[in-house]
Amino acid sequence: AQTVTQSQPEMSVQEAETVTLSCTYDTSESDYYLFWYKQPPSRQMILVIRQEAYKQQNATENRFSVNFQKAAKSFSLKISDSQLGDAAMYFCAYKGEEQGAQKLVFGQGTRLTINP
Amino acid sequence: EPEVTQTPSHQVTQMGQEVILRCVPISNHLYFYWYRQILGQKVEFLVSFYNNEISEKSEIFDDQFSVERPDGSNFTLKIRSTKLEDSAMYFCASSERPGGREQFFGPGTRLTVL
Repeated sequence: AQTVTQSQPEMSVQEAETVTLSCTYDTSESDYYLFWYKQPPSRQMILVIRQEAYKQQNATENRFSVNFQKAAKSFSLKISDSQLGDAAMYFCAYKGEEQGAQKLVFGQGTRLTINP
Repeated sequence: EPEVTQTPSHQVTQMGQEVILRCVPISNHLYFYWYRQILGQKVEFLVSFYNNEISEKSEIFDDQFSVERPDGSNFTLKIRSTKLEDSAMYFCASSERPGGREQFFGPGTRLTVL
């Protein structure tokens, strides 16, 4: 079974600085998708960024980018120019491509605090 | 922008009672999901649903749980006899197809079992 591990329960960063959240995963599949979701205090789950495993290029969405290392099974999220609104729980998630596999497997989450 | 909606936002029930959590997925989506998040823990998959039947379910999704799409817009999760450990946030999600496209999550229903 696939597993996702986020080894940083909490992280903090100064406003306008850059922070990197770590995620590793375990799978025997070659095709899969990886996601970062943000969960603010409202507890809504909001998609931040997505990466297809077959793509070598790292995904980027404005201030958010990933460092996808397929061989190392690592998928970190970099937030540049951190803003107060970035404060939230961040969950890394995995989704396989095998037939019938539809579920997202989530990591334990990292609570990000932005210091003004 | 289309969004997934869920009702109620908070449900309080007595242990042993039945609850129904409701979701309205995005209208052109075909795949529907329920996830659970116990306070302070990670989000866990419960069940996926497509073409009016369950396509995948987790070990958590035992006989106490059922899902239904009673009409063209609603998607429900029923817990027949609630236990204290069912207290959690329940998220509904939907996607156009089961591939890599993201699952869009609703705001969640907080279930409290007393």
